[in-house]
Amino acid sequence: QVTLKESGPALVKPTRTLTLTCTFSGFSLSTSGMRVSWIRQPPGKALEWLARIDWDDDKVYSSSLKTRLTISKDTSKNQVVLTMTNMDPVDTATYYCARQTVDSSGYYYLEYWGQGTLVTVSS
Amino acid sequence: QSVLTQSPSVSGAPGQRVTISCTGSSSNIGAGYDVHWYQQLPGTAPKLLIYGNSNRPSGVPDRFSGSKSGTSASLAISGLQAEDEADYYCQSYDSRLSDYVFGTGTKVTVL
Repeated sequence: QVTLKESGPALVKPTRTLTLTCTFSGFSLSTSGMRVSWIRQPPGKALEWLARIDWDDDKVYSSSLKTRLTISKDTSKNQVVLTMTNMDPVDTATYYCARQTVDSSGYYYLEYWGQGTLVTVSS
Repeated sequence: QSVLTQSPSVSGAPGQRVTISCTGSSSNIGAGYDVHWYQQLPGTAPKLLIYGNSNRPSGVPDRFSGSKSGTSASLAISGLQAEDEADYYCQSYDSRLSDYVFGTGTKVTVL
């Protein structure tokens, strides 16, 4: 059974750095083909993909946010960590982590999602 | 930024069939990248509904079906039920942005 759970601060001050942790079970991120992504959703708005990390430590970031994002993994702890620098009130959102699975055409989809964690940016 | 466009809302009576469209461009859906669909019930995390354009994960009722043609994709819900009231998002990959991209989302209301 695959589960993921996000954790981190509920409130962050503007200009500070946000650190979120995704703790998962039911799979290993050292297994070939495994991939975990971070996605966010501002209140009442659409989903936005942020970053992903692969089993071989390959990392890709959203083109619009890549200067502010860092993704890493700790395979021994079954965790993926996302940091976002220079937080702004517009970054207020629910942040999700999700494990991706590859389909028969070779494209990845977001099969398992965490429950999400709401992060509010305010002074 | 949402590069996939969906109609904001769609509604139907119980038992009816509704369709949700997802319009992209030549750098995403039109480039041949697969489309996936997610259902988000109020106050909950998104849940995978359709993957690889038309495949249902185990446990998803066959009332839900997906298709893709050209630069667009569609999600159909037949035999609409009250429990289907939710937000629905399409998702694909965009080669110009080198990003995974989501649709703008469609709210389904059961009358």
